[in-house]
Amino acid sequence: EDQVTQSPEALRLQEGESSSLNCSYTVSGLRGLFWYRQDPGKGPEFLFTLYSAGEEKEKERLKATLTKKESFLHITAPKPEDSATYLCAVQASNTGKLIFGQGTTLQVKP
Amino acid sequence: DADVTQTPRNRITKTGKRIMLECSQTKGHDRMYWYRQDPGLGLRLIYYSFDVKDINKGEISDGYSVSRQAQAKFSLSLESAIPNQTALYFCATGAVRGNTDTQYFGPGTRLTVL
Repeated sequence: EDQVTQSPEALRLQEGESSSLNCSYTVSGLRGLFWYRQDPGKGPEFLFTLYSAGEEKEKERLKATLTKKESFLHITAPKPEDSATYLCAVQASNTGKLIFGQGTTLQVKP
Repeated sequence: DADVTQTPRNRITKTGKRIMLECSQTKGHDRMYWYRQDPGLGLRLIYYSFDVKDINKGEISDGYSVSRQAQAKFSLSLESAIPNQTALYFCATGAVRGNTDTQYFGPGTRLTVL
C-alpha cells in the first residue's frame, strides 16, 4: 500500500536554529515527491517537486532532498515567518494520484 | 487576483440540505481536483477531472458529486449534507510535466454541517 509518513508531528525551534523535517514513503513507482507549506486556514502553497533520488531543490532558507525511501526538508537559520505546517506528498506511478502525509507543524520563536 | 478561487469561503448549513461549493481558475490547467482536510486525517481526494469530459472518483467520493462546467470551473455538491462532512474543502488545479502534475490549491472553504 502506498504510504507517506512525516516526522516529527510538531517541531519548535528558536530563530536561527537549523533543523530538518522528514518524509518517509513507500510507493509502487515514484512519479514525483512534492513539498507544500500550509498556513492556518489557508490552502497548501507549492514549494518543490523532486523527481529522482539524489535530486535537491532550494528556495530561500529551505532545501529539499530525496533518496529512494525518504525526503528531507532542511530549514537553515529559520525565522518566525517560516512557522507553518509543511506537507509532503508522493505521486504514484500506478494511480497518478497524490498521497499526502499528515504534515509537520513548525513553530519558530523569536 | 488569485489563480484559484473558491466560493463560498465559509458556510454553515443544516443536516439534509443541498450544498454546492464552486471553484474557478485562471491558470489554464486542464486538471482539477477536490480534496477535504480533517484534523489528523490529512488531505483526501474526493473527485478529480483531467478535462471537461472526464470525471473520476477519488478515495472518498460517497455523498459527493461534481460538475465540470468548463475548463476553468469545477463544482462540488453535497446532495444531503451530514455532520461528518464538516471539514475544510480545497480545490486544486494540476500543471502537467511529463508524467507528473504539480497541484496548486485554492484558499479553501470551511464547511460546517449542524
